[in-house]
Amino acid sequence: QQQVKQSPQSLIVQKGGISIINCAYENTAFDYFPWYQQFPGKGPALLIAIRPDVSEKKEGRFTISFNKSAKQFSLHIMDSQPGDSATYFCAASEGPGNTPLVFGKGTRLSVIA
Amino acid sequence: EAQVTQNPRYLITVTGKKLTVTCSQNMNHEYMSWYRQDPGLGLRQIYYSMNVEVTDKGDVPEGYKVSRKEKRNFPLILESPSPNQTSLYFCASRPQGIRNYEQYFGPGTRLTVT
Repeated sequence: QQQVKQSPQSLIVQKGGISIINCAYENTAFDYFPWYQQFPGKGPALLIAIRPDVSEKKEGRFTISFNKSAKQFSLHIMDSQPGDSATYFCAASEGPGNTPLVFGKGTRLSVIA
Repeated sequence: EAQVTQNPRYLITVTGKKLTVTCSQNMNHEYMSWYRQDPGLGLRQIYYSMNVEVTDKGDVPEGYKVSRKEKRNFPLILESPSPNQTSLYFCASRPQGIRNYEQYFGPGTRLTVT
């Protein structure tokens, strides 16, 4: 049973365009929603995270939008650059305890010039 | 520099030959995990440990063992590797508390079992 569903599986965006990756969850106990970025040959690294008490969080060109009632959250990459080409994972956690992070299956983003 | 290290980075072995992948972190994190990454399947947790001598199964534990004798080290053991364990493996650690979603991953170990 997949607890976090991520789409699309792959995405091709023109340089300067907006990349949008979506995730949906069922477990209402999830309380933290981080996004991880993985470049080829590297381990994933935390990119940005949001808690459900806010609807949006922005860090530079990266924005998380969160819709608590729909149980959905998304990552927007504005002005996408070739250097953003990577695999992106959404994740969810049940708060500050020791429950494992639950990851989506990942989205491979390619930004072409 | 805060980091998670894994060794070896690449490993080719044969079916049935026991192997160990080491993992070490220098951030004094209590929580450590092992994941495998396969195309189309994302990151799947194999085992995790909440502290020394405390380990538990993740989503895909079959064929793997772990131990946590020291806080900084969390080795992954394949007693009798099989070809279906060919994968990219990541060790990770994270802090306790409100920033526990900030997980630090190692650089990965690419394992091929023939």
